Amino acid sequence: RKEVEQDPGPFNVPEGATVAFNCTYSNSASQSFFWYRQDCRKEPKLLMSVYSSGNEDGRFTAQLNRASQYISLLIRDSKLSDSATYLCVVRRGFKTIFGAGTRLFVKA
Amino acid sequence: GAVVSQHPSWVICKSGTSVKIECRSLDFQATTMFWYRQFPKQSLMLMATSNEGSKATYEQGVEKDKFLINHASLTLSTLTVTSAHPEDSSFYICSASRPGRVSDTQYFGPGTRLTVL
Repeated sequence: RKEVEQDPGPFNVPEGATVAFNCTYSNSASQSFFWYRQDCRKEPKLLMSVYSSGNEDGRFTAQLNRASQYISLLIRDSKLSDSATYLCVVRRGFKTIFGAGTRLFVKA
Repeated sequence: GAVVSQHPSWVICKSGTSVKIECRSLDFQATTMFWYRQFPKQSLMLMATSNEGSKATYEQGVEKDKFLINHASLTLSTLTVTSAHPEDSSFYICSASRPGRVSDTQYFGPGTRLTVL
């Protein structure tokens, strides 16, 4: 079993839709959590950190449930430019573990 | 914002040759740098963790004699793929860890696409 699991998708949604991604992690010693975005043939870029209290950045909302070891990302009012792969990332000490990513396609 | 550069951005080489990839943190000092490999449609896999002035720590299954890592300064780490073979063709990405007040933030280089013929 992978330490960080994500639904690979792809998610195909129309512009303006709301889409939610889920992620689970297996090691309870994990300390910090992030969502990264990766465009095709590019490096991952930090989208947002994830906190237990939940945090929002514009159209993006991230949530962490430590008890369930579950992380989510909600994208509201999807734009064409949101099409990418979204990586759930967990850090434990110096180690960073990436999920395999969820692919999102937003269509006009 | 923080910038990490990689050079070269792509390289094509013959089987059996060695290829060196450089990773530089341009506006901060990175005591720790990481090297990842990503095959098509797969996630990033950590190869090794590189600390300035000491030997790199390799992940299980990564041959340290094949993937030589040197972290000579606080802003430069190099990965040398020795005696490259076609199965080494991949996207190699480095990242540099920038210390923060609460936690470190990892910034990624743009990646190097290696094709071994």
